[in-house]
Amino acid sequence: KAGVTQTPRYLIKTRGQQVTLSCSPISGHRSVSWYQQTPGQGLQFLFEYFSETQRNKGNFPGRFSGRQFSNSRSEMNVSTLELGDSALYLCASTKEGAGRSQYFGPGTRLLVL
Amino acid sequence: GESVGLHLPTLSVQEGDNSIINCAYSNSASDYFIWYKQESGKGPQFIIDIRSNMDKRQGQRVTVLLNKTVKHLSLQIAATQPGDSAVYFCAENNNNDMRFGAGTRLTVKP
Repeated sequence: KAGVTQTPRYLIKTRGQQVTLSCSPISGHRSVSWYQQTPGQGLQFLFEYFSETQRNKGNFPGRFSGRQFSNSRSEMNVSTLELGDSALYLCASTKEGAGRSQYFGPGTRLLVL
Repeated sequence: GESVGLHLPTLSVQEGDNSIINCAYSNSASDYFIWYKQESGKGPQFIIDIRSNMDKRQGQRVTVLLNKTVKHLSLQIAATQPGDSAVYFCAENNNNDMRFGAGTRLTVKP
């Protein structure tokens, strides 16, 4: 069974731009969660989607948004990028929901210049 | 200005020795706990989980111990191998709210 895939793997943007990251969960998994990982803050929860609905949300500004499609694939978008948004963005999928046997993708490393 | 990063605790062990990695969690209502391993350049990899109604769970070469009284979780790795070198972090879950620890860097010396 294929694992969680994320595209692109690496991305360089400049301040003020926007970015869209994509995540394909493990087949059969309906929950997709997004996390931001930085050396300064560690791993922080962004949001969780289940059956195309946002079910949980972390403490991030409205510039961070996401959506989930009917095939469970998910995208997250960051608008008006700031230098501090440079991070590894991880997606995790699970059958039951965030917090239960999550499997992570390799991440997208975003660098904002 | 200078950015300040998380200072990860480190654990250095000799190949073949047992490793014990500790984690203190914050929410006494958390009912599910997971240990992850993250190698450089990769996403976190699920190792083992435990529910709050248990105090011990064993996997292949790994054991997780849960002490709810002091809100402490530990991961024991038997016969540590060079491939075990990574950052290990715990996660606690309460009603689908996942919180992660900062992690411990394990280095295995040959």
